[in-house]
Amino acid sequence: SQQGEEDPQALSIQEGENATMNCSYKTSINNLQWYRQNSGRGLVHLILIRSNEREKHSGRLRVTLDTSKKSSSLLITASRAADTASYFCATNTNAGKSTFGDGTTLTVKP
Amino acid sequence: DAGVIQSPRHEVTEMGQEVTLRCKPISGHDYLFWYRQTMMRGLELLIYFNNNVPIDDSGMPEDRFSAKMPNASFSTLKIQPSEPRDSAVYFCASSFTGSPLHFGNGTRLTVT
Repeated sequence: SQQGEEDPQALSIQEGENATMNCSYKTSINNLQWYRQNSGRGLVHLILIRSNEREKHSGRLRVTLDTSKKSSSLLITASRAADTASYFCATNTNAGKSTFGDGTTLTVKP
Repeated sequence: DAGVIQSPRHEVTEMGQEVTLRCKPISGHDYLFWYRQTMMRGLELLIYFNNNVPIDDSGMPEDRFSAKMPNASFSTLKIQPSEPRDSAVYFCASSFTGSPLHFGNGTRLTVT
């Protein structure tokens, strides 16, 4: 079974709105990463947050991590049509293993 | 850097045939991962290597699947014999220890 689970499975918003995706996981982690996948392509890394960090920003992205609840969220502010993609969280353990959730499909309407 | 290179990009084969997927990781990366992606099962970790040594192959579905990493710049995933349920997109990814993964563009496998 997958380590991480994202919700919602699908999200549709208007351009300019914010998009929030959540990820829950089951075991202890070294870090948590968010990736983006455009149709027909490989995953691209967006942001990494370590287990001792609570929040991280990168441009229009904001990631939070709550290790007590084993959960993380990804916020994309001021969304654009080009943000349309699938977003995945991945947990990384001390053994180097990276396991992905089922992903959230985001559609941003122009 | 050319990134992670996978070949072929597409593979169509008949049930029972042997399939070999290839991956060239980014130079210097010490981890290599093989994933399989389907609509039904999402992104599954099949096996990963550290310094060319298999660390965890618990995700390999059956004995029909095997993976090798003979050197730091090359890995193969072999399916023999292939079955229609093996149809999926297979991704290779590489990384430094504790760092984000870099993915190839995948091999789309169709077994008829």
